[in-house]
Amino acid sequence: DIQMTQSPASLSASLGETVTIQCQASEDIYSGLAWYQQKPGKSPQLLIYGASSLQDGVPSRFSGSGSGTQYSLKISSMQTEDEGVYFCQQGLKYPFTFGSGTKLEIK
Amino acid sequence: EVQLVESGGGLVQPGRSMKLSCAASGFTFSNYGMAWVRQAPKKGLEWVAYISYDGGSTYYRDPVKGRFTISRDNAKSTLYLQMDSLRSEDTATYYCTTEAGSFDYWGQGVMVTVSS
Repeated sequence: DIQMTQSPASLSASLGETVTIQCQASEDIYSGLAWYQQKPGKSPQLLIYGASSLQDGVPSRFSGSGSGTQYSLKISSMQTEDEGVYFCQQGLKYPFTFGSGTKLEIK
Repeated sequence: EVQLVESGGGLVQPGRSMKLSCAASGFTFSNYGMAWVRQAPKKGLEWVAYISYDGGSTYYRDPVKGRFTISRDNAKSTLYLQMDSLRSEDTATYYCTTEAGSFDYWGQGVMVTVSS
């Protein structure tokens, strides 16, 4: 199975700050990478697919980049509503696997 | 508006069976691959099973192979997950999702608790 290593496990950011979350795959996943946001008691929501494509309706302050085994999610200006847990996921090979999550809080 | 509504969860004893359903609306269900993703309490996300748009292909994670069966009824726009020989480690919230490499739309989830 492809292992997804996500970092950091948690971070706090000030309003307006730029935030970056990293995800490393155990093998090349050829940009088959998605990012999700999950708020407490809610279902995850897709933010980014194909490593860098923004899902419809997602604010443009979210962006994704990377290739090969290294990927990142950037929030260009942290907002209150961005608090939550973020997960990466590889969609290249079954079983599809997720990172362990990054808990993002307002400082 | 895309809607996925799961049902059928609850408390079940180890070794028993349970069947989850997911009613889809707001999109052409028969055009989409579908999946079940679960999340144990306070834990991360885990892909469980996938079924192709026409039901012709299915995939499962290893620990549920031979115990879980994913199926669909395109005439009813409904996805199913038959879970047999349930174990305590199957305790989780189960989400119904559309799947095309990524999980684009999610239901609200249904809780399954396996305990005596």
